[in-house]
Amino acid sequence: DAKTTQPTSMDCAEGRAANLPCNHSTISGNEYVYWYRQIHSQGPQYIIHGLKNNETNEMASLIITEDRKSSTLILPHATLRDTAVYYCIVRVTSGTYKYIFGTGTRLKVLA
Amino acid sequence: NAGVTQTPKFRILKIGQSMTLQCTQDMNHNYMYWYRQDPGMGLKLIYYSVGAGITDKGEVPNGYNVSRSTTEDFPLRLELAAPSQTSVYFCASNPGTEAIGQYFGPGTRLTVT
Repeated sequence: DAKTTQPTSMDCAEGRAANLPCNHSTISGNEYVYWYRQIHSQGPQYIIHGLKNNETNEMASLIITEDRKSSTLILPHATLRDTAVYYCIVRVTSGTYKYIFGTGTRLKVLA
Repeated sequence: NAGVTQTPKFRILKIGQSMTLQCTQDMNHNYMYWYRQDPGMGLKLIYYSVGAGITDKGEVPNGYNVSRSTTEDFPLRLELAAPSQTSVYFCASNPGTEAIGQYFGPGTRLTVT
């Protein structure tokens, strides 16, 4: 089964870019990588996803390595409201829509 | 659209009691999921459904049951509640395409004492 590995926690200064890494070396074939965040105890919020190419939306950018074994979520100008737990997930097995969330990265944006 | 709604928001159960957590989505999504999140931990998949009448186990299904009689509703049943089931429960849905992420509900905070 595919799985992801993320650092437990990171700090970032307000206004600076936050770069959150994720290892997904077991990702298979044409599987997407998804990023979510969870602020306090709210339901997780979808941020962005990607397959092979780098992606950008109004919330963040996603950089995926050429071998697809890792990716980095970039919050270009972190604010205090970006303090949250960030999850990188992939489908457990190709062909199912079953996802496993790990423990994520706890990002703390510092004033 | 209301998105994914969950009821109740909070509940306290005594050991051995039963209850049903309700989840409804109005986006006509085929896939629905139940996760639990223990304090300071990530989300663990309990059950999921790929459509009405079809359900499958996730990582931690013991002590829970689900049913999916309609596209909109995916209730989670706890029989014989135990303290280990104290957690926050999240329901999510997805249209069944990898091009879109999951939509999550606000969660139900359950305490079993």
